[in-house]
Amino acid sequence: DTAVSQTPKYLVTQMGNDKSIKCEQNLGHDTMYWYKQDSKKFLKIMFSYNNKELIINETVPNRFSPKSPDKAHLNLHINSLELGDSAVYFCASSQVGEGSGYEQYFGPGTRLTVT
Amino acid sequence: AQSVTQLGSHVSVSEGALVLLRCNYSSSVPPYLFWYVQYPNQGLQLLLKYTSAATLVKGINGFEAEFKKSETSFHLTKPSAHMSDAAEYFCAVSVASGTYKYIFGTGTRLKVLA
Repeated sequence: DTAVSQTPKYLVTQMGNDKSIKCEQNLGHDTMYWYKQDSKKFLKIMFSYNNKELIINETVPNRFSPKSPDKAHLNLHINSLELGDSAVYFCASSQVGEGSGYEQYFGPGTRLTVT
Repeated sequence: AQSVTQLGSHVSVSEGALVLLRCNYSSSVPPYLFWYVQYPNQGLQLLLKYTSAATLVKGINGFEAEFKKSETSFHLTKPSAHMSDAAEYFCAVSVASGTYKYIFGTGTRLKVLA
């Protein structure tokens, strides 16, 4: 059973389109994250939800909108896609708070290519 | 605020040789530190973590790391490199409060030579 899953694995689309990436975790964790990995492999946090509440919103264009329908799911919707949005997007989850291990578990990534 | 510096974006070692990947951190509060490995076209897999218990941490695949507060370092080592260790390695820092977010280093690509 995959702990953190993402769909789709690959996404090729044209500039100006709107697309969504879905993430699900079956680890029972209370916190989920979205990271962006650019072409130089640099990883940067975008968003985080704790118990469905947004707790991290880095300096990300407001074309990006996360949504967490429940603790096990965190989706990422992107409007008006631009060439610079091409990257690999990783979802992760963790259990935070006293006694937790604090480590994050990552999904396999979604490679977004905007043409 | 926290930050991580990984010295050496590319490291090459011979098969059977010592692997040493360097990570230095900056944190105003006690940090939690992590090493992850990323194989081509895959997600990140946790190798090991330091969360204020033992300073010498053993992880999977024969890797270990030592937390040295005086040197603000958390270097990753493996006594004998294997071809399958070739991958990208990331060091990350977090703190047990607030948002728990990771700050990643820029990564080190390990190449293992036959």
